[in-house]
Amino acid sequence: DGGITQSPKYLFRKEGQNVTLSCEQNLNHDAMYWYRQDPGQGLRLIYYSQIVNDFQKGDIAEGYSVSREKKESFPLTVTSAQKNPTAFYLCASSMNRDSDTQYFGPGTRLTVL
Amino acid sequence: QKEVEQDPGPLSVPEGAIVSLNCTYSNSAFQYFMWYRQYSRKGPELLMYTYSSGNKEDGRFTAQVDKSSKYISLFIRDSQPSDSATYLCAMSDAAGNKLTFGGGTRVLVKP
Repeated sequence: DGGITQSPKYLFRKEGQNVTLSCEQNLNHDAMYWYRQDPGQGLRLIYYSQIVNDFQKGDIAEGYSVSREKKESFPLTVTSAQKNPTAFYLCASSMNRDSDTQYFGPGTRLTVL
Repeated sequence: QKEVEQDPGPLSVPEGAIVSLNCTYSNSAFQYFMWYRQYSRKGPELLMYTYSSGNKEDGRFTAQVDKSSKYISLFIRDSQPSDSATYLCAMSDAAGNKLTFGGGTRVLVKP
């Protein structure tokens, strides 16, 4: 059963703590993406990776970090430097760097207490 | 001003009615256009994909692109309560370039 999985579904964090969100895909896709969704603002791109061991900043990368050590995995770390981290985080993948069709995971809702 | 504008709604229609959604954009370089459906607390799923101007139909869904007016539309015929969701438009200027999303329109189809 192919797809994208994100864990956990809900995550609570105290201020000042780093937290890592998991994203795994078994679609054999080269490209992976992280978005943040806030009410009324649509999806904003945080980081993306078009190939293993390579990634680029998106529009709102400050306070976030990523790694891409394996093709199927693209974890996102929300650091304490992110001033307003409470949001719905979505991971997506696409076949390759030339593909427009992105497939999304179910999302992780992060709440900072 | 946002690069892609979309009315947040909610848009409430009776079951069986036609749902009409639209987005306007400012970047004339956009040429790939997509519509995603997102149920509450779920990830978006791709509904329609069009390139450049014109119409595309898939079952009850029709997507239209008018590049001269920088305006795209999605029509849902014979709407069902299961169509109740948030609909996001997205677009890019070239294959593989980053997508720019609208804020989404929430649709409610009442039985």
